[in-house]
Amino acid sequence: QSALTQPPSASGSPGQSVTISCTGTSSDVGGYDYVSWYQQHPGKAPKLMIYEVTKRPSGVPDRFSGSKSGNTASLTVSGLQAEDEADYYCSSYVGSNNLVVFGGGTKLTVL
Amino acid sequence: QVQLQESGPILVKPSETLSLTCTVSGGSVSSSYWTWIRQPPGKGLEWIGCIYHSGSTNYNPSLKSRVTISLDTSKNQFSLKLSSVTAADMAVYYCARDPWGYWRFDLWGRGTLVTVSS
Repeated sequence: QSALTQPPSASGSPGQSVTISCTGTSSDVGGYDYVSWYQQHPGKAPKLMIYEVTKRPSGVPDRFSGSKSGNTASLTVSGLQAEDEADYYCSSYVGSNNLVVFGGGTKLTVL
Repeated sequence: QVQLQESGPILVKPSETLSLTCTVSGGSVSSSYWTWIRQPPGKGLEWIGCIYHSGSTNYNPSLKSRVTISLDTSKNQFSLKLSSVTAADMAVYYCARDPWGYWRFDLWGRGTLVTVSS
């Protein structure tokens, strides 16, 4: 099972918006609404930011939003803040094998 | 609140078996779904497998021949065994919770770095 495709890096200035893409196939991202996004700061465990494409867990700022079109999911961070600088990973359910696949990760830099 | 903590040997010799345990505190392993995920140094996340509260399991096909995940409800723990390890298995190993079986991980342990070296 191949990893989902994410850009290795993204950046934006404080206050701006940035969108990170996550491309899969019809067997994963395109086939199910079980796409999640995780934020990981250096040396820390990942933190769930978005689940089921668009839903935010309690406590996650509404500056974080998710969407999907076809085989590509996206995470948008609006009103960038310094603390948003981190690695972001997408994941998706893969129905054919009942498993989860992650993207390669995107390093978000706040300029 | 519910917390997860990984434990086990942090140094494993090549060809031997890696064994880790995740202790669940503040909650019960008899509910939810429990997962192991790993991250090689400087690299991305890899899903290893999961176990349901019923005891049934799903594994990453790339690791399936070497992986066993089990549940111990009496100790409120779940465990990972990975056999025949090589240097490629060196990683931070995380245990995590999937609260409803919808393939999202809302709670993670702090992770433990396992080194493979003779």
